[in-house]
Amino acid sequence: DVKVTQSSRYLVKRTGEKVFLECVQDMDHENMFWYRQDPGLGLRLIYFSYDVKMKEKGDIPEGYSVSREKKERFSLILESASTNQTSMYLCASSSPQGAHRYGYTFGSGTRLTVV
Amino acid sequence: GDSVTQMEGPVTLSEEAFLTINCTYTATGYPSLFWYVQYPGEGLQLLLKATKADDKGSNKGFEATYRKETTSFHLEKGSVQVSDSAVYFCALWMDSSYKLIFGSGTRLLVRP
Repeated sequence: DVKVTQSSRYLVKRTGEKVFLECVQDMDHENMFWYRQDPGLGLRLIYFSYDVKMKEKGDIPEGYSVSREKKERFSLILESASTNQTSMYLCASSSPQGAHRYGYTFGSGTRLTVV
Repeated sequence: GDSVTQMEGPVTLSEEAFLTINCTYTATGYPSLFWYVQYPGEGLQLLLKATKADDKGSNKGFEATYRKETTSFHLEKGSVQVSDSAVYFCALWMDSSYKLIFGSGTRLLVRP
């Protein structure tokens, strides 16, 4: 079964820490995405990548960066975590040829709490 | 720009009731349309899809028909179960925008 795997389901970090959220997919997809999900705000796109070493800003990139050194791995980095970054983070992937037929495949999410 | 509008929730139903969650879209071309489901504490899972007008997507007793004339893709199920309690997202894909565009989600709560 094809998969998008997020390394942690739950994470608690302190304010000011550097936080890495890891996402790995085994479908050889070129496209990968990071979203955050907050009550009443739906899904908001943080960053996305269409290829290795490529990255594009989404709708809310402030306070985040990303890394895509290998095709299968897309990391979200919180340079200095703040309490307003407490959220559910969702990773997704797709192929450019298949997205109109199959949409995105999502990971299970990482619930991050910054204290 | 392209957008998706879903009915606001929460939608609360008794078990075995009929479900409709409305979804309408705005797009300049002919999008593909999707419904995703998110169970508590989980990521999103693809529930069903339709890639052209008049297509009907179906899965797990849920159905949705792509209606170009009303720009809609309403989700229906004839008899809901407690296990259907989740958040449902409508989404569209346009080649021009090269991204999935999501609605705001509708929470469904089914009571025994």
